[in-house]
Amino acid sequence: GQNIDQPTEMTATEGAIVQINCTYQTSGFNGLFWYQQHAGEAPTFLSYNVLDGLEEKGRFSSFLSRSKGYSYLLLKELQMKDSASYLCAVRDQFTDKLIFGTGTRLQVFP
Amino acid sequence: DTEVTQTPKHLVMGMTNKKSLKCEQHMGHRAMYWYKQKAKKPPELMFVYSYEKLSINESVPSRFSPECPNSSLLNLHLHALQPEDSALYLCASSQGAPDTQYFGPGTRLTVL
Repeated sequence: GQNIDQPTEMTATEGAIVQINCTYQTSGFNGLFWYQQHAGEAPTFLSYNVLDGLEEKGRFSSFLSRSKGYSYLLLKELQMKDSASYLCAVRDQFTDKLIFGTGTRLQVFP
Repeated sequence: DTEVTQTPKHLVMGMTNKKSLKCEQHMGHRAMYWYKQKAKKPPELMFVYSYEKLSINESVPSRFSPECPNSSLLNLHLHALQPEDSALYLCASSQGAPDTQYFGPGTRLTVL
């Protein structure tokens, strides 16, 4: 079976750093994705990890530990426009389906 | 270019209507997807097309009928929907099934 956990909501201040965690239990793992989704809009691809370690892309970084079934998305120099839901998704090794977590709603305050 | 387009943006339909949602991509992607998303929930996979053939149907009711006329187009035909089918319908595409999926802007469907 598949189980993906993320915090439901987080708040942070403009200019700060926030870390959104994702833990997963899957029968077959073939990569982890992070998507950003503003209310009423489509998910936008942020990052992809398939090997252990840190992937950095501008203000956003994503980390993966396969042995711990753990990933995090790190957002630096937060801006108001970063207020959105952040979806962690694991790709199933056997079906290639994306299994989404419930998402973390991040609110950035001035 | 990672653009997936969807039309219409909004759709209101009665339970006896027949309507279609359209999705288009010109990135040469060979896998295309339909997802349904309810408010404050993650996207739920409905259908997957790979090389224009239906490869996954997640036990979706027959009132939803997908169609892939060619490698760039994906349609979702709707008939006799229920109010609980009201949701955001997202189309996505990827180079192949194991690759990164890029989502379209979605169609906000309301069934009265």
